[in-house]
Amino acid sequence: GESVGLHLPTLSVQEGDNSIINCAYSNSASDYFIWYKQESGKGPQFIIDIRSNMDKRQGQRVTVLLNKTVKHLSLQIAATQPGDSAVYFCAPRGDQGGKLIFGQGTELSVKP
Amino acid sequence: EAQVTQNPRYLITVTGKKLTVTCSQNMNHEYMSWYRQDPGLGLRQIYYSMNVEVTDKGDVPEGYKVSRKEKRNFPLILESPSPNQTSLYFCASSFGGKETQYFGPGTRLLVL
Repeated sequence: GESVGLHLPTLSVQEGDNSIINCAYSNSASDYFIWYKQESGKGPQFIIDIRSNMDKRQGQRVTVLLNKTVKHLSLQIAATQPGDSAVYFCAPRGDQGGKLIFGQGTELSVKP
Repeated sequence: EAQVTQNPRYLITVTGKKLTVTCSQNMNHEYMSWYRQDPGLGLRQIYYSMNVEVTDKGDVPEGYKVSRKEKRNFPLILESPSPNQTSLYFCASSFGGKETQYFGPGTRLLVL
């Protein structure tokens, strides 16, 4: 079946540094990708999305890069802050019923 | 405020005692979905609904029922809960199955 893998289950960065979270997906037909942030005790929160006809999209302090050739996404967070500490998921849309395919997530810890 | 709400947020019950977790959204979204989140398994889709009176199974539907009588509500029903349904449950909604899904705050269920 379809799968999503993140390259590192945990990532620790210093406050103010840039963070890069990577994600690999299996379904070459995926046409839409969402990055979610999940803080402890809360539901996943939308950060940024990208469609397959784009290779880069920027938001406020976040940038998502999509490489369809190798089926890889990355989320870059500029000037990482303590409030960025959370688990981050990339979620490609699957083939059926709008289902999002979630991987295990990467836990980002920001050291002050 | 646009949001997805779930009730209850926490629930402890015993095996076999029927329960319902409610989900409501105020964004006029057609698409609604239920996920469960378990350590090491990530978020998995239980059921989804493309619109009123239209529901379909996700990846892990066994032991669950849903209904969609109104656009805003999508309750999750456990007719005879078992301990393996102890989990964290999230409801999500979106404009159609091809758009960003917004998640509720989660319901933590413990079945003894």
